[in-house]
Amino acid sequence: GAVVSQHPSRVICKSGTSVKIECRSLDFQATTMFWYRQFPKQSLMLMATSNEGSKATYEQGVEKDKFLINHASLTLSTLTVTSAHPEDSSFYICSARNLADPIDEQFFGPGTRLTVL
Amino acid sequence: AQSVTQLGSHVSVSEGALVLLRCNYSSSVPPYLFWYVQYPNQGLQLLLKYTSAATLVKGINGFEAEFKKSETSFHLTKPSAHMSDAAEYFCAVSRYSSASKIIFGSGTRLSIRP
Repeated sequence: GAVVSQHPSRVICKSGTSVKIECRSLDFQATTMFWYRQFPKQSLMLMATSNEGSKATYEQGVEKDKFLINHASLTLSTLTVTSAHPEDSSFYICSARNLADPIDEQFFGPGTRLTVL
Repeated sequence: AQSVTQLGSHVSVSEGALVLLRCNYSSSVPPYLFWYVQYPNQGLQLLLKYTSAATLVKGINGFEAEFKKSETSFHLTKPSAHMSDAAEYFCAVSRYSSASKIIFGSGTRLSIRP
């Protein structure tokens, strides 16, 4: 149980285009999802917290108009990188929280590697 | 504010040797502390977590960590390293639980020598 998937696992795009990354909780309902980015050989940095049915809460320094987050259902959150540039190339990881789970833990997806040419 | 500091970006040990990965934390409130492991091109897997119960926490794959408030430390240990332990390890801290905002350390890459 508690499996989180991401799609795609890898994506290469041209500068100026938009890319959508999906995060799905496969066997539980995720009331909250988190989006992180990880640069090579660095730690994970929280970008935003996404609650189902409401606007995402962005961390300081993260452009909400560039990184659009939608959490339209209890099993799906999407991150859209708009007008991507090479500096947006990174490893994007989502995690999901099951409020009904007494363990109250974040379960992480396998990540999406974005390369912007 | 909360933060964690991992001492040593890279640790190399021989197979069968003791593994010790160091982590010190800073928190103005009683912290929740975690260790995560990340294999190449994969997400994070929770190894263990401290939630103010027992100070010695046992996790998966033979790892354990001890919470020492006086030293503000939460070092990760394993008595005997295995080749499959080679990975990136992250120490992390949270204010409330593992389902709230988590602050990650910079990570320690563990290499295992045959």
